Amino acid sequence: AQKVTQAQTEISVVEKEDVTLDCVYETRDTTYYLFWYKQPPSGELVFLIRRNSFDEQNEISGRYSWNFQKSTSSFNFTITASQVVDSAVYFCALIMMNTGFQKLVFGTGTRLLVSP
Amino acid sequence: DVKVTQSSRYLVKRTGEKVFLECVQDMDHENMFWYRQDPGLGLRLIYFSYDVKMKEKGDIPEGYSVSREKKERFSLILESASTNQTSMYLCASSPLAGAGDGGELFFGEGSRLTVL
Repeated sequence: AQKVTQAQTEISVVEKEDVTLDCVYETRDTTYYLFWYKQPPSGELVFLIRRNSFDEQNEISGRYSWNFQKSTSSFNFTITASQVVDSAVYFCALIMMNTGFQKLVFGTGTRLLVSP
Repeated sequence: DVKVTQSSRYLVKRTGEKVFLECVQDMDHENMFWYRQDPGLGLRLIYFSYDVKMKEKGDIPEGYSVSREKKERFSLILESASTNQTSMYLCASSPLAGAGDGGELFFGEGSRLTVL
């Protein structure tokens, strides 16, 4: 079975702090994609990144970076120098590519609160 | 830009009422999804559709039905609303995933339903 675990329910930081959101996944497939989505207070989930299972290179996009480690089945997300606008709920998700119709499986989300 | 539009942001209904939640996407996507979002439970898939008039049950289909008469429109129906269906409902769409292409979802802003 496939599963995504986000153990951190809520994280509070002060602006300019670095913060890491953890994501651990379970899957028997060898071919899969991992995602991060951001859900601001407006409600719409916004796609942040997709990473396929054959590409373990870390990725950096501005203040955002992602650390994918197959050895620990983790896909962690770090925000550097956090800002108030980063306050949102962040979801990690997994999709398997070899097992029938491709459905995203979501974690339970981590609420990030960044205070001024 | 992909646009997924949900007809109502906020609804209040009474127990036993029939409720329709409408979703329209403008990018000619094959796949459409209805998720339910509850605190501590993340996003759970109710139903999805990969083609017109096709539908598949997700993880929590009980108490819901769907309709997809046109490619761009996917409706979620609560035949007889109950208080435990009070939730945020999110519609999403995605193009048909092919080789090397993993199913990024595009979400609407959500419909918050309260059943009294």
